[in-house]
Amino acid sequence: ETGVTQSPTHLIKTRGQQVTLRCSSQSGHNTVSWYQQALGQGPQFIFQYYREEENGRGNFPPRFSGLQFPNYSSELNVNALELDDSALYLCASSLGQVASYEQYFGPGTRLTVT
Amino acid sequence: AQSVTQLDSQVPVFEEAPVELRCNYSSSVSVYLFWYVQYPNQGLQLLLKYLSGSTLVESINGFEAEFNKSQTSFHLRKPSVHISDTAEYFCAVSGRGGSYIPTFGRGTSLIVHP
Repeated sequence: ETGVTQSPTHLIKTRGQQVTLRCSSQSGHNTVSWYQQALGQGPQFIFQYYREEENGRGNFPPRFSGLQFPNYSSELNVNALELDDSALYLCASSLGQVASYEQYFGPGTRLTVT
Repeated sequence: AQSVTQLDSQVPVFEEAPVELRCNYSSSVSVYLFWYVQYPNQGLQLLLKYLSGSTLVESINGFEAEFNKSQTSFHLRKPSVHISDTAEYFCAVSGRGGSYIPTFGRGTSLIVHP
């Protein structure tokens, strides 16, 4: 059974650019959630996808968008990057959308915006 | 709306000593409660969770947490810590029912000294 994987591991972008982060969910999981973890902070919920539909969204602007594909892998897109977008971006997959299902986290993508 | 407060940003302790990491939450609805651990340069791993039933929950590696509804707390304890327990610990809460939109605390860094 393959765990949650994310790519790339690290990347550096310039303010104003756009970035796409990718996540492969654990086998059998149909729900993917994305989180932003700034340095020294806890993860903040960005949004969740359940069976290719956005299923909940945290307090993030529309320039944060996502997709979930038929194989339940997912992308996080961030447009017009700002310096404050520098963070570790975590993806987590689960068997379902309700809170009682355990979330399995990937190792994250470290984004640096200069 | 819900929030989580982890009362200590850093807890230093000697190996084989007991430890308690404190977590208080607020929520307008009934909640599920979670503790996650994050080792350096890794994603989060679920340590234990309270969904219903017994208010005392245990993990496989000796940690336990007790849900106290009257005090809105979910403190994490271990009677004897090891060097390998050095990590960042996050308390999280989510409302029952509906989709999974969790709120994480800012984390407590547990530092175990030999």
